[in-house]
Amino acid sequence: DVVMTQTPLSLSVTPGQPASISCKSSQSLLSSEGKTYLYWYLQKPGQPPQVLIYEVSNRFSGVPDRFSGSGSGTDFTLKISRVEADDVGVYYCMQSTYVPWTFGQGTKVEIK
Amino acid sequence: EVQLVESGGGLVQPGGSLRLSCTASGFTFSRYWMSWVRQAPGKGLEWLANVNQDGSLEQYVDSVRGRFTISRDNANNALLLQMNSLRVEDTALYYCARVGTGVVERGFDYWGQGTLVTVSS
Repeated sequence: DVVMTQTPLSLSVTPGQPASISCKSSQSLLSSEGKTYLYWYLQKPGQPPQVLIYEVSNRFSGVPDRFSGSGSGTDFTLKISRVEADDVGVYYCMQSTYVPWTFGQGTKVEIK
Repeated sequence: EVQLVESGGGLVQPGGSLRLSCTASGFTFSRYWMSWVRQAPGKGLEWLANVNQDGSLEQYVDSVRGRFTISRDNANNALLLQMNSLRVEDTALYYCARVGTGVVERGFDYWGQGTLVTVSS
């Protein structure tokens, strides 16, 4: 199975400051179709997850442009350019290039 | 508006069975792969199973293969999860999720609110 490793596991950020979360996979997520099936989700307290980024760097409809995704192969990053209070929650990366689909452990983001 | 509503959770003894349902609305259900994902209390997300549009292809994580069966009833816009031989470690909030097509291909674009399964004696 592909192991997804996120760092850090928790992050405390001052509003208006940037934040960055790393996600590393145990093998390349580049598929035979030439796509990289790496996603980022945010689970706000008491809610189901919601998709932020699909296929490494594409923002889902309605996601603010302060969120951006980058990376390739085995190394991926989610960046928040200016953290807002509404961004608190747990962020997960997920790969679906290989079955079983696997998630990272999650990164808890809180506001200072 | 896309809606996914899970039901069927509850308290069950170890070794018992439970059947979860997810009722979909607001989209053409038969055009999408669907999935079950769970989250143990205070823990992270675990993908469990996928089913393709007509139910002919199923995929499972090893921890539930042979015990859980994913299926669908396209006539009634329902996704199902039959869970047998339940273990204490199956205690979790079970989410139904839609797998995107085109945009968010192979990712989850919509999730239900979840149904809680507790396995305990």
